[in-house]
Amino acid sequence: QKEVEQDPGPLSVPEGAIVSLNCTYSNSAFQYFMWYRQYSRKGPELLMYTYSSGNKEDGRFTAQVDKSSKYISLFIRDSQPSDSATYLCAMSASTGNQFYFGTGTSLTVIP
Amino acid sequence: DSGVTQTPKHLITATGQRVTLRCSPRSGDLSVYWYQQSLDQGLQFLIHYYNGEERAKGNILERFSAQQFPDLHSELNLSSLELGDSALYFCASSVAGRGGLETQYFGPGTRLLVL
Repeated sequence: QKEVEQDPGPLSVPEGAIVSLNCTYSNSAFQYFMWYRQYSRKGPELLMYTYSSGNKEDGRFTAQVDKSSKYISLFIRDSQPSDSATYLCAMSASTGNQFYFGTGTSLTVIP
Repeated sequence: DSGVTQTPKHLITATGQRVTLRCSPRSGDLSVYWYQQSLDQGLQFLIHYYNGEERAKGNILERFSAQQFPDLHSELNLSSLELGDSALYFCASSVAGRGGLETQYFGPGTRLLVL
């Protein structure tokens, strides 16, 4: 079983839609949860960062962590064509330096 | 632009060969991480160096090795290459290498094709 599972999609939505991206994980030691966005032929860039459980909002983006269910989500409101990219979840334990990434979900926002 | 540079951008080589990928971290960053990204496996952590010393190893094959030099740039050496080593190789850097406490900044990657 992989440490982190992520639905690869692809996901295609109309402009303005609310997008929900999700990851599940198996390691209860994970404390730090991140979402990266990766445009085609580019390196991943950090989008959101959350510690432990709860919600974090940044503009149109909201990250949620439910540690009891080992489930994290990223919501994108009022999605834009510029949001079209692959979204990777990543997580790390409170100690140690290794990040575990999901395989990424490919999102296309259609104008 | 993340400030992390990687060379070369593309590399085409044959099975059995050896290649070296180079990474320069952001100015001031002491940590360098190497990742392999393939379609079926996603982004896999390979190895982490902090200020010249190896800090953590992930799913790195014995045929692969890395080092970080005194000027903090890092090289990833891939030897006895196989078709399955074809992938995107990313390096990322962070200030101190405190795992989940820090943001990692990714370079643009090196696309390796083994024929």
